[in-house]
Amino acid sequence: EVVLTQAPAALSVSPGERVTLSCRAARTVTHRLAWYQQKPGQPPRFLIYDASTRATGVPAKFSGSGSETQFTLTINNLQPEDYAVYFCHQYYFWPHTFGQGTKLEIK
Amino acid sequence: EAHLVESGGGLVQPGGSLTLSCVASGFSFNEYAMSWVRQGPGKGLEWVSSIGSTRRLTIYADSVEGRFTISRGNSDNTVYLQMTSLREEDTAMYYCAKQNGNDDGPFDSWGQGTLVTVSS
Repeated sequence: EVVLTQAPAALSVSPGERVTLSCRAARTVTHRLAWYQQKPGQPPRFLIYDASTRATGVPAKFSGSGSETQFTLTINNLQPEDYAVYFCHQYYFWPHTFGQGTKLEIK
Repeated sequence: EAHLVESGGGLVQPGGSLTLSCVASGFSFNEYAMSWVRQGPGKGLEWVSSIGSTRRLTIYADSVEGRFTISRGNSDNTVYLQMTSLREEDTAMYYCAKQNGNDDGPFDSWGQGTLVTVSS
């Protein structure tokens, strides 16, 4: 299976700042990578697919980039509602796999 | 907008069985693949199983292969997960998720989840 590594596991960032989260695939997944946001007690929320396409209703402050093995999710102008855990997910190979998540915390 | 509602979770002893259901609405159910994804207590997300729109594709994680069976009823917009020989490590919140293609794709809608606890 394709291992996805998200680093760091946790990140403290001040409101209003921009943050870039990383996801590295152990082998190429082309562009077939998605990002999700999860808050405590809630299911994941679909944010980005095909590495850089925003899902319906996702604000432009969220942007994804990358291909093959290196991917990033950038969030601009962090607001209180953006503090959550972010997961990446590859759907190029079976089994589908997820990164272990990056927890974004208020600084 | 897609709406998914899971049910069927609960407490079960090791070795026991449980069947989860997920009722879908708000989209053309028979055009999309559906999946189950689980999340253990305090853990990350783990894909469990997927079924294609026409049921030709069914696929399982190695951890559940031979113990779990996914199925769907396109007439009643429901996807099922039959779970047998349950183990303590199967304890998790089980989410039903819609994929954005007919046989594969990312998970673009999620249910609220149903909790499965395997314990003696």
